[in-house]
Amino acid sequence: EIVLTQSPGTLSLSPGERATLSCRASQSVSSSYLAWFQQKPGQTPRLLIYAASSRATGIPDRFTGSGSGTDFTLTISRLEPEDFAVYYCQQYGSLPRTFGQGTKLEIK
Amino acid sequence: EVQLVESGGGLVQPGRSLRLSCTASGFTFGDFAVGWFRQAPGKGLEWVGFIRSKAYGGTTEYAASVKGRFTISRDDSKSIAYLQMNSLKTEDTAVYYCERTGYWGQGTLVTVSS
Repeated sequence: EIVLTQSPGTLSLSPGERATLSCRASQSVSSSYLAWFQQKPGQTPRLLIYAASSRATGIPDRFTGSGSGTDFTLTISRLEPEDFAVYYCQQYGSLPRTFGQGTKLEIK
Repeated sequence: EVQLVESGGGLVQPGRSLRLSCTASGFTFGDFAVGWFRQAPGKGLEWVGFIRSKAYGGTTEYAASVKGRFTISRDDSKSIAYLQMNSLKTEDTAVYYCERTGYWGQGTLVTVSS
């Protein structure tokens, strides 16, 4: 089983700042099958990035995914108020599909 | 517009069964695999399993935590996927979501408690 470790656990930033979220895998993620989700309280997870760097439909270009192998990053270039949420990475290249434990992005 | 709507959640006693449904619209249901995920209260996301499309054999895969107790099936003629949950445990309490490549339903809450 591929274990995904996200860091930091909590990130405190202000609107307009740049956010960098990390997701490290215990072994190489096949074909960069790595996704990022955003979840706000009481809401369904929303797919942001798939295949490590491809934006899902309707996702603003301030969200950028990068990385390969075991190290992946989600960058939010300039934080908007609506970006404060919990972010999860997920690998879907091998079974079982696994998630990271999440990074909470909170307003400083 | 792609839509997925889960139903069938509720309160159930440990050891009992429950069947969830995922009703899809806005796309050719039979062309896609359907996944199930869950999220326990205040916790992170967990993959439960998925069913492949008929073109890929319609076979299923499950997380170790539910294998042998949960069964995923599909009825392409009705655009519905099912999650049959047997021998439920208190630790199965969660919001259950169905998913189709990038689209998630709103979830249905399953509470396992005596």
